[in-house]
Amino acid sequence: DAGITQSPRHKVTETGTPVTLRCHQTENHRYMYWYRQDPGHGLRLIHYSYGVKDTDKGEVSDGYSVSRSKTEDFLLTLESATSSQTSVYFCAISGSGERAKNIQYFGAGTRLSVL
Amino acid sequence: GEDVEQSLFLSVREGDSSVINCTYTDSSSTYLYWYKQEPGAGLQLLTYIFSNMDMKQDQRLTVLLNKKDKHLSLRIADTQTGDSAIYFCAEKRSYIPTFGRGTSLIVHP
Repeated sequence: DAGITQSPRHKVTETGTPVTLRCHQTENHRYMYWYRQDPGHGLRLIHYSYGVKDTDKGEVSDGYSVSRSKTEDFLLTLESATSSQTSVYFCAISGSGERAKNIQYFGAGTRLSVL
Repeated sequence: GEDVEQSLFLSVREGDSSVINCTYTDSSSTYLYWYKQEPGAGLQLLTYIFSNMDMKQDQRLTVLLNKKDKHLSLRIADTQTGDSAIYFCAEKRSYIPTFGRGTSLIVHP
């Protein structure tokens, strides 16, 4: 998985609790992304980062926040988890060069269940 | 994923060719991609094609791009049971890819 580690791999939590998912990369890539994958929807972008402390919203950002204090780590936080946030979450990275920035590599995913 | 359309399922016999189709809407897309996802795993980049190309071949994989019809296809020759997976088409306009919903390829003996 191209030097990308997502943690935890599985998590079960209760509605209303805060949850933080971590994505760690060893590739020193500039761009990092969080997606969620749901049946019938494919992959939808939640947030992305184009550098340390530089982040922006994707198409389904409501209820999520992100932080990137170091190049290698991109955190996704659900401030107050809801059942609609039950999903599989994927982190992806891409580099900075003309070709590299156009190629995304994905982590193995985090399966989150909100009860 | 509404801008990238794929059929949801494809069933083929082992040894036959598989053709997975995709349509996209943005003629300014620069890169078009095919990703493979096996059960319980992340997406793995299979191949990609730049918008100024019509065809790209890589071993058993052939990608065809019809820019006029905004149609992308992935052909897998001599399909094997290990090719069973979900295949995602994606297009890239600015610098964020947009993914289709994925096509589940089922290979039976």
